[in-house]
Amino acid sequence: DVKVTQSSRYLVKRTGEKVFLECVQDMDHENMFWYRQDPGLGLRLIYFSYDVKMKEKGDIPEGYSVSREKKERFSLILESASTNQTSMYLCASSPSLAKGAGSATGELFFGEGSRLTVL
Amino acid sequence: DQQVKQNSPSLSVQEGRISILNCDYTNSMFDYFLWYKKYPAEGPTFLISISSIKDKNEDGRFTVFLNKSAKHLSLHIVPSQPGDSAVYFCAGTSQGGSEKLVFGKGTKLTVNP
Repeated sequence: DVKVTQSSRYLVKRTGEKVFLECVQDMDHENMFWYRQDPGLGLRLIYFSYDVKMKEKGDIPEGYSVSREKKERFSLILESASTNQTSMYLCASSPSLAKGAGSATGELFFGEGSRLTVL
Repeated sequence: DQQVKQNSPSLSVQEGRISILNCDYTNSMFDYFLWYKKYPAEGPTFLISISSIKDKNEDGRFTVFLNKSAKHLSLHIVPSQPGDSAVYFCAGTSQGGSEKLVFGKGTKLTVNP
């Protein structure tokens, strides 16, 4: 079974603090993603990565950065947390279709989520 | 520009009846569509998918129908069970594109006993 593990299920931080959200997957997937989920807004893509040290902006990258130093780990960084970043953060991974591996449907495997509250 | 639209934020059905969740898309490049189910405080889990070259895919109580000309897909759950109560997300992806999924805003399904 694919396992995507997010380091913290619940975090409470103060405005202006630096926040790290860690994600690790154990299936040697090339692709990793960070989404946030908000009521009425669905799942919105923040950043994604196709390979180590590669990253691309998603739909809402402002206020966030990412790091992918190892294939299995993808970190989301909030340099200076703000109250509008209170949300559920979801990490996901998938095998690369370009490399001919894995699911042909583009299925993403999600972690359990990290609920961040910024006060 | 919303590429995937789920116009019903919520749906309520009786246990044992059919649940029909709808999804519209605008991106003609999508070649796979997926449905995910999400319980509160958990990550989304994959439910069922369909290739754009098909018009129906069935897996147990779940069936997805695709109408390419109308750019519309629907998820049917028969019979509905209380454990099906969750938020359902529709998503599209383009295999020749960036391999990322584009999600709709979700529909909250409540199945009443």
